[in-house]
Amino acid sequence: GAVVSQHPSRVICKSGTSVKIECRSLDFQATTMFWYRQFPKQSLMLMATSNEGSKATYEQGVEKDKFLINHASLTLSTLTVTSAHPEDSSFYICSATPGLLGPYEQYFGPGTRLTVT
Amino acid sequence: RKEVEQDPGPFNVPEGATVAFNCTYSNSASQSFFWYRQDCRKEPKLLMSVYSSGNEDGRFTAQLNRASQYISLLIRDSKLSDSATYLCVGSDSNYQLIWGAGTKLIIKP
Repeated sequence: GAVVSQHPSRVICKSGTSVKIECRSLDFQATTMFWYRQFPKQSLMLMATSNEGSKATYEQGVEKDKFLINHASLTLSTLTVTSAHPEDSSFYICSATPGLLGPYEQYFGPGTRLTVT
Repeated sequence: RKEVEQDPGPFNVPEGATVAFNCTYSNSASQSFFWYRQDCRKEPKLLMSVYSSGNEDGRFTAQLNRASQYISLLIRDSKLSDSATYLCVGSDSNYQLIWGAGTKLIIKP
């Protein structure tokens, strides 16, 4: 149980285009989903926290107009990187929590590797 | 200063050996700590939570030292499959996870 999927697993796009990444909880309803970004040899950095039906809460320094998050249902959250640039190339990971065992119960998706050329 | 600091390694260890690494945290208010394992280009996976009394799970032992603000992970009888990056994770007052950059472990045959 507690499986989280992400799609796509890998994407290459041209500078200036937008990319949408989907995060789905497959066998549970996720009250909260988290979006992280990880650059090579660096720690995971939380970008934003989203709750179903409400606006996402962005971490300091993360541009909400550039990284659009939609948490339309209890099983799906999407992250859209708008007008992507090479510096946005990174490993994007989502996690989801059913909120049953406390705030630290997070299940991670397999990640999406974004390369912007 | 980073909130959670780890030696990036790599630690090169022969198979069967015991290896230990520490992680320090700066936020004395942190309540919960975890060790995650991350394989190359994969998502992190929870290895174990770290309790004040210390906890053991098979070959893995985690300890928390609040006075010195560090967490340790000990791996006994290391296996080739233990090769990975080990991420130390703390928490803030808002229950957000604070991630270390990881310690890379390479087990050699």
